[in-house]
Amino acid sequence: NAGVTQTPKFRVLKTGQSMTLLCAQDMNHEYMYWYRQDPGMGLRLIHYSVGEGTTAKGEVPDGYNVSRLKKQNFLLGLESAAPSQTSVYFCASSPPEVHGYTFGSGTRLTVV
Amino acid sequence: AQSVAQPEDQVNVAEGNPLTVKCTYSVSGNPYLFWYVQYPNRGLQFLLKYITGDNLVKGSYGFEAEFNKSQTSFHLKKPSALVSDSALYFCAVRAMPGGYQKVTFGTGTKLQVIP
Repeated sequence: NAGVTQTPKFRVLKTGQSMTLLCAQDMNHEYMYWYRQDPGMGLRLIHYSVGEGTTAKGEVPDGYNVSRLKKQNFLLGLESAAPSQTSVYFCASSPPEVHGYTFGSGTRLTVV
Repeated sequence: AQSVAQPEDQVNVAEGNPLTVKCTYSVSGNPYLFWYVQYPNRGLQFLLKYITGDNLVKGSYGFEAEFNKSQTSFHLKKPSALVSDSALYFCAVRAMPGGYQKVTFGTGTKLQVIP
């Protein structure tokens, strides 16, 4: 049982480049989330989804887009990367009931 | 707006001693509370949650947490610390009722267990 899988694990982008972070879960969870983790700031929610075909903005959505075309996948896109988007990105999933989240192992992104 | 405060950036404890990692919260109405642990270069792992009922909640790896409504606190505890407990710990809160509700995470407390 893999849980939540994120790809890639590391990436270096140049300012202005685009990329897509992939998240896949095999637990049939309805809800999925993208967070960024920055030193001293904890985790901040970028976007989330409560079901296939639905997405919503979190606390820090600017500069990011998401899609949930299949229940098991949640994609995070950066259209034009900026140095301020240098961070560690975590995907998580959960069932609709009150439950702890299952997190992926993260993607470390550096924008130069 | 809901919030979580973890007042200590780092907690040092000797191996074998009891440990406490502090958390206070602010939320409208009754809270759901969570603790997570993060080991280096890994994602967060769920430790335990408080929903309702007994104020002392037991979780994974021998950890427990005590909910105190009057003090709006949810401190993480363990009777005897292990070196392997050294990690980053996050407290999180969400409001009732069910369905999607925003979860707010604290900024984390680094636990260092000294051999």
